[in-house]
Amino acid sequence: DARVTQTPRHKVTEMGQEVTMRCQPILGHNTVFWYRQTMMQGLELLAYFRNRAPLDDSGMPKDRFSAEMPDATLATLKIQPSEPRDSAVYFCASGLVRPEYFGSGTRLTVV
Amino acid sequence: ELKVEQNPLFLSMQEGKNYTIYCNYSTTSDRLYWYRQDPGKSLESLFVLLSNGAVKQEGRLMASLDTKARLSTLHITAAVHDLSATYFCAGRKLRRATYKYIFGTGTRLKVLA
Repeated sequence: DARVTQTPRHKVTEMGQEVTMRCQPILGHNTVFWYRQTMMQGLELLAYFRNRAPLDDSGMPKDRFSAEMPDATLATLKIQPSEPRDSAVYFCASGLVRPEYFGSGTRLTVV
Repeated sequence: ELKVEQNPLFLSMQEGKNYTIYCNYSTTSDRLYWYRQDPGKSLESLFVLLSNGAVKQEGRLMASLDTKARLSTLHITAAVHDLSATYFCAGRKLRRATYKYIFGTGTRLKVLA
């Protein structure tokens, strides 16, 4: 049963620390998305990649966030330095064109 | 910029009743998607609506799209408790030769026994 795998599931960190979230898309999916979900803002598109190339990262605060796809089986989202307002659930999704399958999310708490 | 709004935001309904969730979007979106999210879980894709007048049905859920009105609806027939979840619609907008997929605010549905 193919699925999008995200690690870690939960992360609690102190303000100022670096946080790295990882995503393994479904094999064969060439499009990978990162979304952030909060109660106040809902689901926000942070960035997405096709064939490992960034297509859009306009939703991402560039000063502290970075997203990469070092290879076709791994996408990473990094926050450095983290701030309390980054606390949210971060979802990765993959598909051939659209966000079709979502991972279980990484629940990030920055204290 | 594409904005997607849903109403209602919260819906509490009795089992066996019918109801409709509305999804309005601000600018042209050639496709419309519906997803379901159970509490604390991930999103699951429900429907893809590809063109004006498209209608898709799965069980007690039926989704439709009116691109001229910029409106999609998700109709629930004879609700059952298992349908309790948050439902999201999403549109897509072409921007600089790539599509942005924008989600609505979500409708939290609670079906009461």
